[in-house]
Formats: sequence, C-alpha cells, structure tokens
Amino acid sequence: QVQLQESGPGLVKPSQTLSLTCTVSGGSFNSDSYYWSWIRQPAGKGLEWIGRIYTRGSTWYNPSLKSRVTISLDTSKNQFSLKLSSVTAADTAVYYCARVVAVAAWGDYFDYWGQGTLATVSS
Amino acid sequence: SYEVTQPPSVSVSPGQAASITCSGDKLGDKYASWYQQKPGQSPVVVIYQDNKRPSGIPERFSGSNSGNTATLTISGTQAMDEADYYCQAWDSSTVVFGGGTKLTVL
Repeated sequence: QVQLQESGPGLVKPSQTLSLTCTVSGGSFNSDSYYWSWIRQPAGKGLEWIGRIYTRGSTWYNPSLKSRVTISLDTSKNQFSLKLSSVTAADTAVYYCARVVAVAAWGDYFDYWGQGTLATVSS
Repeated sequence: SYEVTQPPSVSVSPGQAASITCSGDKLGDKYASWYQQKPGQSPVVVIYQDNKRPSGIPERFSGSNSGNTATLTISGTQAMDEADYYCQAWDSSTVVFGGGTKLTVL
C-alpha cells in the first residue's frame, strides 16, 4: 500500500521560504508509470495545483506560482520536496503531496494523497 | 488560462440520483477526473479518464464527458456520499481544478 507523508514547519514568517517534504513508502517511487505533485487548499476553499516532478527530475509548475516554486527529488530517500519563496498570508493553506498516475493523452490523475499539512504564514 | 466551473452546491434526497456538472471550453476534448473530499480528509479519486472507477469505488459513481460539460452522477445516493466534489482536467500541461461542489444529502 502506497503511503505519502508530508513534513515541515507549520509556521513560516512573511517573506521567508516555506519548505515541505513528502516521504513516499510502499514502492513505485522510481517507476515511470507515476510522478509526484504538490497541491494546496486554503481553509474553506478549493484545491490549487502547485506543480509536479518526474522521477528523472524534470518539473512543471503552475504559471501563477512559477516564479516562487521549486520542487526537487531525493530518490535515495524516496522523498520529494517543495520550496515556496517570498510567502505571504495568502500562502496559508493545507499542503498535500500526491502521486500521479501517468496515462496517455493527459488522462493523468491523482491516485494517492498524503494526509496534508497546514502551513501558516504569520509573524 | 483555462477554467472549469462547478455549481457551488447540489442537494439530493437519499436514494435519488445526484448529478454534478463541470463546464469548460471544449472540455469533452480533454479527460476529466473527479475527487471526493470529506471534512478533514484528503481528496479521493472517484472517477478518472471521464468514466473509469478506481477499485474500491462503489458502482453508483459514474462519469461522462461530452461537449463542454463533464458530469459526475451518483445513483442511489447515500448519506455517506455527502462531501465536496472537485473536477479536474489538464490544459497546456497544467492541472486545472474546478471550484468544488458541496453535495448535501437531505
């Protein structure tokens, strides 16, 4: 059974960098059939995709966040990470990591999600 | 940028069918997925590639996608189906989520 677990500071000061890590267990981390993604959800609001990373390291980001986002991979630890710079209160949200099933013709979908971690931006 | 639109809320009586729509320009030319999210929980995929159900998802969940609208249908809705539902599609290699629909079973 695949499991994803987010970790990282729950409180970040404005203008600083939010850093989160997702640890994957249960296999499949290096499989070309899957890749990895971050999604966030402000309290009481909808889901916002942040970006994705493939097992070979290539990345793709939400254009609205692209200038502030970096997603990286550590295959030796079965982990991938998110860094979001210059944060403001608007970045306060529950952050989820998720596995994405790669399907032809952009039918990709999120099949496993972490439990989510709340990151609050406040001084 | 591409957008998909969902109704904020849908109500249904127990045992009746519930339909939740997701609208976007030529959405039928893309694949749609649907996620169920209950309070305090992570989303769960209930439909992918327009009409496929993952293992473990009850048969009462079905999906369709044509023209500008994707539809999630729950037949014989149960109280346990009360949740927020999000549609998701891809456009220009980026993920687009709908704003979510709160399904109330009353």
